[in-house]
Amino acid sequence: DSGVTQTPKHLITATGQRVTLRCSPRSGDLSVYWYQQSLDQGLQFLIQYYNGEERAKGNILERFSAQQFPDLHSELNLSSLELGDSALYFCASSDGVGTEAFFGQGTRLTVV
Amino acid sequence: ELKVEQNPLFLSMQEGKNYTIYCNYSTTSDRLYWYRQDPGKSLESLFVLLSNGAVKQEGRLMASLDTKARLSTLHITAAVHDLSATYFCAVGPTRDDKIIFGKGTRLHILP
Repeated sequence: DSGVTQTPKHLITATGQRVTLRCSPRSGDLSVYWYQQSLDQGLQFLIQYYNGEERAKGNILERFSAQQFPDLHSELNLSSLELGDSALYFCASSDGVGTEAFFGQGTRLTVV
Repeated sequence: ELKVEQNPLFLSMQEGKNYTIYCNYSTTSDRLYWYRQDPGKSLESLFVLLSNGAVKQEGRLMASLDTKARLSTLHITAAVHDLSATYFCAVGPTRDDKIIFGKGTRLHILP
């Protein structure tokens, strides 16, 4: 158990809908990263927050947004969902910027 | 932009054999990470390599880093079936604080 908690574990939703994925980092970690893993694209970096502030942005679609709250948990919001958004979404946390990241169990999103 | 390339992407090998997975990256970076992922599971941190010449070993796995060549290797000694998994290397932080992953090497060890 890495100490990073993601909910829900599985999510099935229809195209056009909006979902929110939640991540609680390890105790004491200030950085939260979001990654998308699909079969054909590997592990794609989406976005990083450090102590509530956006720190780095990757290949995140405009339909996706994220935030980190004062208690350091983070949420990834995915809207206007398309079939191609089906993937495993991982959250990871670390104690600093670019330090060793520990991954949650992931949320498997299926868009039908 | 930092690019991280692993090879091979797929490796099938017999138990008891040795093999090496390579990770090349395109720009200077402070740290290199190796992770293991079992099918449908999370990524587990294996090694963090911080400096040129760093070598770390855990059981049958040994990782090394050559920052001048921008190359890291993950060596598997006398492979056993339990090591079957996908192995990722990751590099960072980049100038804009990202950690970039390679595409992963899917290792299948035949009993």
